[in-house]
Amino acid sequence: QLQLQESGPGLVKPSETLSLTCTVSGGSISSSSYYWGWIRQPPGKGLEWIGSTYYSGTTYYNPSLKSRVTVSVDTSKNQFSLKLSSVTAADTAVYYCARHTGPSTHNWFDPWGQGTLVTVSS
Amino acid sequence: DIVMTQSPDSLAVSLGERATINCKSSQSVLYSSNNKNYLAWYQQKPGQPPKLLIYWASTRESGVPDRFSGSGSGTDFTLTISSLQAEDVAVYSCQQYYSTSLTFGGGTKVEIK
Repeated sequence: QLQLQESGPGLVKPSETLSLTCTVSGGSISSSSYYWGWIRQPPGKGLEWIGSTYYSGTTYYNPSLKSRVTVSVDTSKNQFSLKLSSVTAADTAVYYCARHTGPSTHNWFDPWGQGTLVTVSS
Repeated sequence: DIVMTQSPDSLAVSLGERATINCKSSQSVLYSSNNKNYLAWYQQKPGQPPKLLIYWASTRESGVPDRFSGSGSGTDFTLTISSLQAEDVAVYSCQQYYSTSLTFGGGTKVEIK
């Protein structure tokens, strides 16, 4: 059974870079059958897609975040990562990693990780 | 970006009654070459990640109770819970995957009246 687990600091200072890792177990991130994505949810608000990556390194980003976001994949560790630079309080959210259900971003997400709360505060 | 607008923001329904949630996209998510609507529905309970309920607008995910159904095409979609159960209290969100820039609706909170 495929499982995803987010990890990283729960507190980041304003203007710094948020870094999270998603570890995939029960399956290979190198599979050509899936894309892998990051989604976030500010407290009490809706879901926002951040970006997605393929095992080859191909990436797609939310245009509103593109200038600050990098999503990368490490097939040797079966992980993919998120970096979000120049964070502000508006970036405070629960961050989820998830798998697309096909070899493109034109697919829904399933399964999802449990999520990790990242707070931006000095 | 395709904007997904859900209504209502919240609704309270008696146990055993029908709950209806609407999702409207700012442009069609129907792909003409395969006649499929690129829309999914998720259920999210407090403190949990979203759970996939429906994809292709009306295909129920394996294991999802048949009281959940999705309908609609083009720009207007509906998630219906035919007979609300206590365990259905949650936030429900739609998502379009037609565009490379994926977007979600703002969510609808379903409570027991």
